[in-house]
Amino acid sequence: EIVLTQSPGTLSLSPGERATLSCRASQSVSSNYLAWYQQKPGQAPRLLIYGVSNRATGIPNRFSGSGSGTDFTLTISRLEPEDFAVYYCQQYDGSLTFGGGTKVEIK
Amino acid sequence: QVQLVESGGGVVQPGRSLRLSCAASGFTFSTYGMHWVRQAPGKGLEWVAVIWYDGAKKYYADSVKGRFTISRDNSKNTLYLQMNSLRAEDTAVYYCARVRFCSSTNCYGYLENWGQGTLVTVSS
Repeated sequence: EIVLTQSPGTLSLSPGERATLSCRASQSVSSNYLAWYQQKPGQAPRLLIYGVSNRATGIPNRFSGSGSGTDFTLTISRLEPEDFAVYYCQQYDGSLTFGGGTKVEIK
Repeated sequence: QVQLVESGGGVVQPGRSLRLSCAASGFTFSTYGMHWVRQAPGKGLEWVAVIWYDGAKKYYADSVKGRFTISRDNSKNTLYLQMNSLRAEDTAVYYCARVRFCSSTNCYGYLENWGQGTLVTVSS
């Protein structure tokens, strides 16, 4: 089973700043089978990115994904007030596992 | 539009059973694989189970294997999760989710649509 480790656990930033979230896999994720989700309190997760770098329908272009192999990054270019939430990465390379999450909070 | 609505959650004693349902609408249910994902209070997401679009294959997380059963009724556009021998550690919000692609050999993909979740509390 591929284990995903997200860092940092919490990111304290101000609106307008750039957020860089990391997701590291215990073994190589083939075919770029890596997705990112956003979850706000009391809500279901929402798909942001799939296939490492493809934005889901309706996701603003301030969200971008990159990486390959075992190291992946979600970048939010300029934080908007609605972006403060918890973010999860997920791999789907023959199984399905989630990272532990990164909370992006207002500084 | 795609809608997934879970129901059936509640408070149950350890060792008892509960069945969750997920009513789907807005898409051709019989052509999509479906997953259950859970989230314990204050914790992260944990994958629980997957079922192929035709119900031919089912797989489970080790933590629920032998106790939980995923099933579907394509004539009723409904997904189920039968949970037996419940434990305190099964306490969580349970989400059903639609996977974008599901072939005859692979139904693990990104989860494009999620329900709002139903809370299961296992407590005496």
